[in-house]
Amino acid sequence: AQSVTQLDSQVPVFEEAPVELRCNYSSSVSVYLFWYVQYPNQGLQLLLKYLSGSTLVESINGFEAEFNKSQTSFHLRKPSVHISDTAEYFCAVSDKGGSEKLVFGKGTKLTVNP
Amino acid sequence: ETGVTQTPRHLVMGMTNKKSLKCEQHLGHNAMYWYKQSAKKPLELMFVYSLEERVENNSVPSRFSPECPNSSHLFLHLHTLQPEDSALYLCASSQGQSGGADEQFFGPGTRLTVL
Repeated sequence: AQSVTQLDSQVPVFEEAPVELRCNYSSSVSVYLFWYVQYPNQGLQLLLKYLSGSTLVESINGFEAEFNKSQTSFHLRKPSVHISDTAEYFCAVSDKGGSEKLVFGKGTKLTVNP
Repeated sequence: ETGVTQTPRHLVMGMTNKKSLKCEQHLGHNAMYWYKQSAKKPLELMFVYSLEERVENNSVPSRFSPECPNSSHLFLHLHTLQPEDSALYLCASSQGQSGGADEQFFGPGTRLTVL
């Protein structure tokens, strides 16, 4: 069975500061990895995903995440955050070649203060 | 309408009521999902439908009954719920044929309160 751990439930930062949201996973098979973002009163949206190839993946709004197989991690980073990045971020994993089932972490609420 | 829509957005019901949540996707996808989102818990996958056939039922109590009449519509029928069933219920859809690699597109959710 798979599991996803997001150690930080809340991360407050100031605008233009760097941020890292941590994600570790556990699985007995190869996986795909995802970060989803949920803005207030909305559903989740895909931010970025790792399927194969380069272990560093980027989103269009400046976030990046690096797949580290040895550490079973997929941490999300942004060098300089904006107020508009305030949201809840969810890490998720699915089996490679398996069903469409996604297993989510508990989420990290990022609050960017002016 | 585009994307995934859900109605109603908010629902308050008593424990003896029967109600239904509706989800519609306008993306031509083959798979649809119901999730439960409670405070301080991971999203819980409830049901998965692929090509209108239920392929996953994650030990959900029988007071939740899904229905998928076609690939664009998904319902969640509710009856004799408990207060602990209060949560945000999210619907999602995906292409459903990529062995786990697909992006899932989520609706805005129905905020359910059971009194």
